[in-house]
Amino acid sequence: AQRVTQPEKLLSVFKGAPVELKCNYSYSGSPELFWYVQYSRQRLQLLLRHISRESIKGFTADLNKGETSFHLKKPFAQEEDSAMYYCALSARFAGNMLTFGGGTRLMVKP
Amino acid sequence: GAGVSQSPSNKVTEKGKDVELRCDPISGHTALYWYRQRLGQGLEFLIYFQGNSAPDKSGLPSDRFSAERTGESVSTLTIQRTQQEDSAVYLCASSRAGGTGELFFGEGSRLTVL
Repeated sequence: AQRVTQPEKLLSVFKGAPVELKCNYSYSGSPELFWYVQYSRQRLQLLLRHISRESIKGFTADLNKGETSFHLKKPFAQEEDSAMYYCALSARFAGNMLTFGGGTRLMVKP
Repeated sequence: GAGVSQSPSNKVTEKGKDVELRCDPISGHTALYWYRQRLGQGLEFLIYFQGNSAPDKSGLPSDRFSAERTGESVSTLTIQRTQQEDSAVYLCASSRAGGTGELFFGEGSRLTVL
């Protein structure tokens, strides 16, 4: 069975400060990892996926199989980054069914 | 519509009543998911439909919960004899078969059980 853990329920930083949202997973196979984001009064939407190795809105995330982590990072937080962030895992050969972490609320203060 | 549509957006009901929540996925998406989001908590998987395969019901919390899907279209989530702990936002999502893991979510149905 797969499990995703986001240890911080709330992360508060000042504008311009670096931010790191932690995500750890447990899965015996080869996982696919994702970050989803939900801005205030908007739908939950995909932010980025590890397989694409992309940077979206300045955010990056590196899959560390040794530490079973997929932390989300941004060097300089902006107020518009304030949102709820969910880490998610998809097990290979299990279709697209995603297991989500508990979420971290990021608050970026001016 | 272009996105996943859910109805009702808000439902207030009395304990013990049955409720039905509806989800219209994006046209052409063969996979459909239901998740539950309780206040202050993360997303809890409920059920997953993929094409004509048997649904994965492993997340349904009790036999009061059931879901159906007609072909590759509309799905209904039914909660019988609602309890106060059923109060939550119920999210539906859809995706393409063999896709890249991107789920497209609806706005959710907020259920309040008094």
